Amino acid sequence: SQELEQSPQSLIVQEGKNLTINCTSSKTLYGLYWYKQKYGEGLIFLMMLQKGGEEKSHEKITAKLDEKKQQSSLHITASQPSHAGIYLCGADGNNDMRFGAGTRLTVKP
Amino acid sequence: DTAVSQTPKYLVTQMGNDKSIKCEQNLGHDTMYWYKQDSKKFLKIMFSYNNKELIINETVPNRFSPKSPDKAHLNLHINSLELGDSAVYFCASSHHRTPRGNSPLHFGNGTRLTVT
Repeated sequence: SQELEQSPQSLIVQEGKNLTINCTSSKTLYGLYWYKQKYGEGLIFLMMLQKGGEEKSHEKITAKLDEKKQQSSLHITASQPSHAGIYLCGADGNNDMRFGAGTRLTVKP
Repeated sequence: DTAVSQTPKYLVTQMGNDKSIKCEQNLGHDTMYWYKQDSKKFLKIMFSYNNKELIINETVPNRFSPKSPDKAHLNLHINSLELGDSAVYFCASSHHRTPRGNSPLHFGNGTRLTVT
């Protein structure tokens, strides 16, 4: 089954700093999805990457897909307290989506 | 106008009881899912239904039984609840996906189940 490793497991940054979260797959990636989860809420879909080298941005969040390395990175520029939460990467499984264990982001004001 | 809604949000019950969680989506999706998120926040697929047909049933105890009366609803019934069932259960939906699917999942806000 698809295995996704996320790093780091947790991250504490000062407001205004940039940060990167990584997601590495043990299998070929056909589609890679990034989600954000706040406490007590469901997962909010951020963006989907499908092609090698594809890069997408949503406000101050940018995600890239390196198909050859089977990796994706999520980069946040000038972090804000509103960016705090758990970021999860997901990948296509057999008729479902499998997820990494998540990266817990704390942004200190 | 919640896209994927599940009820209840919180469920506290005793061991041995039977409980149900309901899920409805108004996105016109034909595939629905149940995921379990444990205390370490790891999200694991339990079931997947496409057009009311079960297409995924991971290694889940028989005490868990999904029911899909139509493609907009996927309810989860749990018999003889155990302490280890305590978790957050998420419902999700998507357009039909394949192994190279390109349709993101849309999630409900979760049901926090506590078994005492």
